[in-house]
Amino acid sequence: DQQVKQNSPSLSVQEGRISILNCDYTNSMFDYFLWYKKYPAEGPTFLISISSIKDKNEDGRFTVFLNKSAKHLSLHIVPSQPGDSAVYFCAASGTYKYIFGTGTRLKVLA
Amino acid sequence: GAGVSQTPSNKVTEKGKYVELRCDPISGHTALYWYRQSLGQGPEFLIYFQGTGAADDSGLPNDRFFAVRPEGSVSTLKIQRTERGDSAVYLCASSNDPGQITGELFFGEGSRLTVL
Repeated sequence: DQQVKQNSPSLSVQEGRISILNCDYTNSMFDYFLWYKKYPAEGPTFLISISSIKDKNEDGRFTVFLNKSAKHLSLHIVPSQPGDSAVYFCAASGTYKYIFGTGTRLKVLA
Repeated sequence: GAGVSQTPSNKVTEKGKYVELRCDPISGHTALYWYRQSLGQGPEFLIYFQGTGAADDSGLPNDRFFAVRPEGSVSTLKIQRTERGDSAVYLCASSNDPGQITGELFFGEGSRLTVL
């Protein structure tokens, strides 16, 4: 049973445009959500997080939106840059355990 | 270094052999996690340590897998009688405040295990 789902395995976006990565979850007990970025042969690196008491968190070019009623979160990257090309994982936590989605490979075209 | 360190970065072994993977977390982080990532998948939870004790080992796939953290710092993941299906990248992560808004996981670069 996949509690955290990223239904788009890949996404291509033109440089300078907005990238929108989506994530759905099933467990209403999750109250903390994170996005990670992963380059080949490296470990995932933390990007941005959001608590369930908020519906938006912004950090520079990255914004995460949370819709609790729909159990959906999204990561917006604007403007997208070629260096953003990577695999993006969303993760959810209710306590100490972090459950990850299967990832979305973002390719930003120059 | 200041980050999570994992050794070896690559391990090739034969089916049936015993393997140990080591993780050195960020200094002061009490929480340590092992995850496994197979090709095309996200990190899959294996085990969580808070201090020296395994607080949750529910993700270990079977009794061939075992992990220790005897002094509350370095951890070793041990795999007995390896099988080809164990081939994956094993990721270690640490955190100073798990499950809280400041409790993001810091990952190492992973140990890629290949079982022939």
